[in-house]
Amino acid sequence: NAGVTQTPKFQVLKTGQSMTLQCAQDMNHEYMSWYRQDPGMGLRLIHYSVGAGITDQGEVPNGYNVSRSTTEDFPLRLLSAAPSQTSVYFCASSYGAGGTTYEQYFGPGTRLTVT
Amino acid sequence: GENVEQHPSTLSVQEGDSAVIKCTYSDSASNYFPWYKQELGKRPQLIIDIRSNVGEKKDQRIAVTLNKTAKHFSLHITETQPEDSAVYFCAASTPGGGNKLTFGTGTQLKVEL
Repeated sequence: NAGVTQTPKFQVLKTGQSMTLQCAQDMNHEYMSWYRQDPGMGLRLIHYSVGAGITDQGEVPNGYNVSRSTTEDFPLRLLSAAPSQTSVYFCASSYGAGGTTYEQYFGPGTRLTVT
Repeated sequence: GENVEQHPSTLSVQEGDSAVIKCTYSDSASNYFPWYKQELGKRPQLIIDIRSNVGEKKDQRIAVTLNKTAKHFSLHITETQPEDSAVYFCAASTPGGGNKLTFGTGTQLKVEL
Protein backbone atom coordinates (compact mmCIF):
# COMPACT_ATOMS: atom_id res chain seq x y z
CA ASN A 1 0.00 0.00 0.00
CA ALA A 2 1.94 3.04 -1.30
CA GLY A 3 -0.66 5.63 -0.18
CA VAL A 4 -0.49 8.86 -2.20
CA THR A 5 2.37 9.14 -4.69
CA GLN A 6 3.49 12.13 -6.73
CA THR A 7 5.89 12.55 -9.63
CA PRO A 8 8.20 14.25 -10.26
CA LYS A 9 9.75 15.29 -6.94
CA PHE A 10 11.50 18.27 -8.46
CA GLN A 11 10.96 20.17 -11.70
CA VAL A 12 12.38 23.31 -13.30
CA LEU A 13 10.40 24.93 -16.10
CA LYS A 14 10.92 27.94 -18.27
CA THR A 15 8.18 30.56 -18.51
CA GLY A 16 5.56 29.48 -21.03
CA GLN A 17 6.28 25.76 -20.88
CA SER A 18 3.56 23.30 -19.96
CA MET A 19 3.75 20.19 -17.84
CA THR A 20 1.68 17.68 -15.89
CA LEU A 21 2.17 16.82 -12.24
CA GLN A 22 1.13 13.27 -11.57
CA CYS A 23 -0.76 12.04 -8.50
CA ALA A 24 -1.98 8.55 -7.72
CA GLN A 25 -3.51 6.83 -4.69
CA ASP A 26 -4.14 3.17 -3.99
CA MET A 27 -6.54 3.54 -1.06
CA ASN A 28 -9.73 3.68 -3.18
CA HIS A 29 -10.45 7.19 -1.92
CA GLU A 30 -13.28 9.09 -3.57
CA TYR A 31 -11.93 12.56 -2.86
CA MET A 32 -8.69 13.96 -4.25
CA SER A 33 -7.29 17.49 -4.09
CA TRP A 34 -4.36 19.60 -5.19
CA TYR A 35 -2.82 22.24 -2.92
CA ARG A 36 0.05 24.63 -3.37
CA GLN A 37 2.25 25.74 -0.51
CA ASP A 38 4.06 29.04 -0.54
CA PRO A 39 6.20 30.48 2.27
CA GLY A 40 4.10 32.20 4.92
CA MET A 41 0.81 31.34 3.23
CA GLY A 42 -0.01 27.83 4.33
CA LEU A 43 -1.60 25.47 1.83
CA ARG A 44 -4.15 26.72 -0.67
CA LEU A 45 -6.62 24.56 -2.58
CA ILE A 46 -6.22 24.61 -6.37
CA HIS A 47 -8.72 21.99 -7.61
CA TYR A 48 -10.51 19.04 -6.13
CA SER A 49 -12.51 16.00 -7.21
CA VAL A 50 -15.28 14.07 -5.48
CA GLY A 51 -15.07 11.12 -7.86
CA ALA A 52 -14.10 9.98 -11.33
CA GLY A 53 -15.34 12.44 -13.93
CA ILE A 54 -16.14 15.16 -11.37
CA THR A 55 -13.85 18.10 -10.64
CA ASP A 56 -14.27 21.60 -9.28
CA GLN A 57 -12.24 24.70 -8.60
CA GLY A 58 -10.69 25.60 -5.30
CA GLU A 59 -9.33 28.90 -4.03
CA VAL A 60 -6.53 29.43 -6.62
CA PRO A 61 -7.45 27.59 -9.87
CA ASN A 62 -6.17 30.04 -12.49
CA GLY A 63 -3.45 28.61 -14.72
CA TYR A 64 -4.18 25.00 -13.79
CA ASN A 65 -6.35 22.25 -15.28
CA VAL A 66 -7.34 18.89 -13.84
CA SER A 67 -9.22 15.82 -14.94
CA ARG A 68 -10.12 12.59 -13.18
CA SER A 69 -10.69 9.67 -15.50
CA THR A 70 -10.06 7.01 -12.85
CA THR A 71 -10.49 6.78 -9.08
CA GLU A 72 -6.72 6.35 -8.66
CA ASP A 73 -5.27 9.22 -10.69
CA PHE A 74 -5.64 12.98 -10.48
CA PRO A 75 -3.11 14.84 -12.68
CA LEU A 76 -2.58 18.59 -12.48
CA ARG A 77 -1.70 20.41 -15.69
CA LEU A 78 0.09 23.73 -15.92
CA LEU A 79 -0.92 25.23 -19.24
CA SER A 80 1.69 27.99 -19.61
CA ALA A 81 4.03 28.16 -16.62
CA ALA A 82 4.65 31.52 -14.94
CA PRO A 83 7.16 32.46 -12.20
CA SER A 84 4.19 32.99 -9.85
CA GLN A 85 3.57 29.24 -10.06
CA THR A 86 6.88 28.51 -8.36
CA SER A 87 5.73 26.55 -5.32
CA VAL A 88 5.51 23.17 -3.65
CA TYR A 89 2.51 21.19 -4.85
CA PHE A 90 0.79 18.60 -2.68
CA CYS A 91 -1.81 16.10 -3.76
CA ALA A 92 -4.16 14.69 -1.12
CA SER A 93 -6.88 12.07 -0.92
CA SER A 94 -9.56 11.01 1.54
CA TYR A 95 -12.66 8.93 1.96
CA GLY A 96 -15.89 10.69 1.16
CA ALA A 97 -19.23 9.34 2.27
CA GLY A 98 -22.50 10.83 3.41
CA GLY A 99 -21.05 14.29 3.78
CA THR A 100 -18.76 13.26 6.65
CA THR A 101 -15.27 14.70 6.47
CA TYR A 102 -12.41 12.26 6.86
CA GLU A 103 -8.64 12.58 7.25
CA GLN A 104 -6.77 13.78 4.19
CA TYR A 105 -3.61 11.90 3.28
CA PHE A 106 -0.94 13.94 1.56
CA GLY A 107 1.57 12.90 -1.05
CA PRO A 108 5.29 13.76 -0.70
CA GLY A 109 5.01 16.90 -2.82
CA THR A 110 6.51 18.27 -6.04
CA ARG A 111 8.84 21.24 -5.82
CA LEU A 112 8.38 23.34 -8.98
CA THR A 113 10.56 26.25 -10.02
CA VAL A 114 9.61 28.43 -12.99
CA THR A 115 12.37 30.66 -14.36
CA GLY B 1 -15.48 31.56 1.59
CA GLU B 2 -13.86 30.29 4.74
CA ASN B 3 -10.96 32.22 6.29
CA VAL B 4 -8.68 30.76 8.95
CA GLU B 5 -6.31 32.88 11.01
CA GLN B 6 -3.53 31.29 13.05
CA HIS B 7 -1.36 32.72 15.84
CA PRO B 8 1.44 32.95 16.70
CA SER B 9 3.53 32.60 13.57
CA THR B 10 6.54 31.52 15.63
CA LEU B 11 6.71 30.00 19.08
CA SER B 12 9.76 29.10 21.11
CA VAL B 13 9.46 27.06 24.31
CA GLN B 14 11.79 25.26 26.66
CA GLU B 15 11.75 21.48 26.65
CA GLY B 16 9.10 20.25 29.05
CA ASP B 17 6.98 23.39 28.81
CA SER B 18 3.56 23.57 27.17
CA ALA B 19 2.82 25.13 23.79
CA VAL B 20 -0.49 26.58 22.66
CA ILE B 21 -1.42 27.54 19.10
CA LYS B 22 -4.68 29.31 18.38
CA CYS B 23 -6.88 29.54 15.28
CA THR B 24 -10.08 31.34 14.42
CA TYR B 25 -12.40 30.61 11.51
CA SER B 26 -15.06 32.66 9.79
CA ASP B 27 -17.66 30.22 8.42
CA SER B 28 -20.05 29.00 11.13
CA ALA B 29 -20.91 26.01 8.88
CA SER B 30 -17.38 24.57 9.23
CA ASN B 31 -17.59 21.26 11.06
CA TYR B 32 -14.18 19.58 10.91
CA PHE B 33 -10.93 20.99 12.27
CA PRO B 34 -7.68 19.06 11.71
CA TRP B 35 -4.19 19.95 12.85
CA TYR B 36 -1.18 19.02 10.74
CA LYS B 37 2.50 18.83 11.61
CA GLN B 38 5.01 19.44 8.87
CA GLU B 39 8.72 18.84 9.24
CA LEU B 40 11.15 20.54 6.91
CA GLY B 41 10.89 19.15 3.40
CA LYS B 42 8.18 16.66 4.36
CA ARG B 43 4.49 16.32 3.72
CA PRO B 44 1.87 17.52 6.26
CA GLN B 45 0.87 14.78 8.68
CA LEU B 46 -2.37 14.77 10.65
CA ILE B 47 -1.73 14.82 14.40
CA ILE B 48 -5.23 15.36 15.76
CA ASP B 49 -8.65 16.49 14.56
CA ILE B 50 -11.95 17.51 16.11
CA ARG B 51 -15.50 17.68 14.83
CA SER B 52 -17.99 20.39 15.62
CA ASN B 53 -20.07 18.19 17.94
CA VAL B 54 -17.12 17.80 20.33
CA GLY B 55 -15.59 20.44 22.59
CA GLU B 56 -12.27 18.80 23.42
CA LYS B 57 -10.18 15.85 22.29
CA LYS B 58 -6.94 14.45 23.71
CA ASP B 59 -4.28 12.10 22.42
CA GLN B 60 -1.43 11.59 24.88
CA ARG B 61 0.46 14.93 25.03
CA ILE B 62 -1.71 16.62 22.42
CA ALA B 63 -5.15 18.14 22.90
CA VAL B 64 -7.46 20.29 20.82
CA THR B 65 -10.29 22.47 22.10
CA LEU B 66 -13.12 23.96 20.07
CA ASN B 67 -15.37 26.90 20.92
CA LYS B 68 -18.07 27.03 18.24
CA THR B 69 -19.65 30.18 19.64
CA ALA B 70 -16.42 32.11 19.35
CA LYS B 71 -15.35 30.21 16.19
CA HIS B 72 -12.06 29.46 17.84
CA PHE B 73 -9.98 26.30 18.25
CA SER B 74 -6.61 25.64 19.83
CA LEU B 75 -3.84 23.06 19.87
CA HIS B 76 -2.19 22.26 23.20
CA ILE B 77 1.06 20.33 23.43
CA THR B 78 2.24 19.41 26.92
CA GLU B 79 5.69 18.27 28.05
CA THR B 80 7.24 19.42 24.79
CA GLN B 81 10.20 17.53 23.37
CA PRO B 82 12.79 18.52 20.75
CA GLU B 83 11.08 16.25 18.21
CA ASP B 84 7.96 18.44 18.50
CA SER B 85 9.87 21.17 16.65
CA ALA B 86 8.10 21.65 13.29
CA VAL B 87 5.53 23.82 11.55
CA TYR B 88 1.96 23.25 12.69
CA PHE B 89 -1.07 24.09 10.55
CA CYS B 90 -4.68 24.34 11.59
CA ALA B 91 -7.44 23.91 9.02
CA ALA B 92 -11.20 24.04 8.71
CA SER B 93 -13.54 22.13 6.43
CA THR B 94 -17.03 23.19 5.46
CA PRO B 95 -19.81 20.75 4.51
CA GLY B 96 -20.71 20.21 0.88
CA GLY B 97 -18.47 17.46 -0.36
CA GLY B 98 -14.88 17.30 -1.48
CA ASN B 99 -13.35 17.64 1.98
CA LYS B 100 -12.09 21.09 1.06
CA LEU B 101 -9.67 22.36 3.68
CA THR B 102 -8.85 26.01 4.36
CA PHE B 103 -5.52 26.24 6.13
CA GLY B 104 -4.05 28.73 8.54
CA THR B 105 -0.67 30.22 7.72
CA GLY B 106 1.27 27.99 10.09
CA THR B 107 3.19 28.22 13.38
CA GLN B 108 6.90 27.46 13.54
CA LEU B 109 7.39 25.73 16.89
CA LYS B 110 10.91 25.46 18.27
CA VAL B 111 11.55 23.43 21.39
CA GLU B 112 14.83 24.43 22.98
CA LEU B 113 16.92 22.21 25.22
